Amino acid sequence: AQSVTQLDSHVSVSEGTPVLLRCNYSSSYSPSLFWYVQHPNKGLQLLLKYTSAATLVKGINGFEAEFKKSETSFHLTKPSAHMSDAAEYFCVVRPPPGSQGNLIFGKGTKLSVKP
Amino acid sequence: GAGVSQTPSNKVTEKGKYVELRCDPISGHTALYWYRQSLGQGPEFLIYFQGTGAADDSGLPNDRFFAVRPEGSVSTLKIQRTERGDSAVYLCASSRTGVNQETQYFGPGTRLLVL
Repeated sequence: AQSVTQLDSHVSVSEGTPVLLRCNYSSSYSPSLFWYVQHPNKGLQLLLKYTSAATLVKGINGFEAEFKKSETSFHLTKPSAHMSDAAEYFCVVRPPPGSQGNLIFGKGTKLSVKP
Repeated sequence: GAGVSQTPSNKVTEKGKYVELRCDPISGHTALYWYRQSLGQGPEFLIYFQGTGAADDSGLPNDRFFAVRPEGSVSTLKIQRTERGDSAVYLCASSRTGVNQETQYFGPGTRLLVL
């Protein structure tokens, strides 16, 4: 069975400081991993995805994540937070190729950005 | 182009009533997914359509929940004899073909409140 664990339910940073949102996964297979962002009253938006190519994945809005198999982690980072980054972030794992396409979401991390 | 749309955006109903939630996927997308997001949780998979057929309905919680996609585009999620525990945001997503590594594009959701 596959699952993801987001280690922090809430992270608060100051504008201009680095962001780190932590995610650990559990998978019997080489996983596909994603980060989605959800702004209030808006749909989920894909930030980035890892699909067994480069282990360092760059996404939109300056976010990136590094796949570390030895640590079973896929943490999301950004060098400098912006006020517009305040949102809920979800780490997501997907079944391997040949399986059904449904996504398995973590519980989410709410990011607050202070001025 | 237009994204995934869902109607209504909000629905309030009474316990025991029947409700229908509609999803319009991105034009040309053959794969359609329904998820349910309870307060403070990540979205949970309900059902996946490939064309007109339900390829995976393993996430439907019980037989009060049913979904259709008769012409392979618009989908309707139907909930009979609603219960207070059904209150949640119901999310719809679509992808081009349903291949495992494709991006799923999400709609803004329908917020259902059962009184």
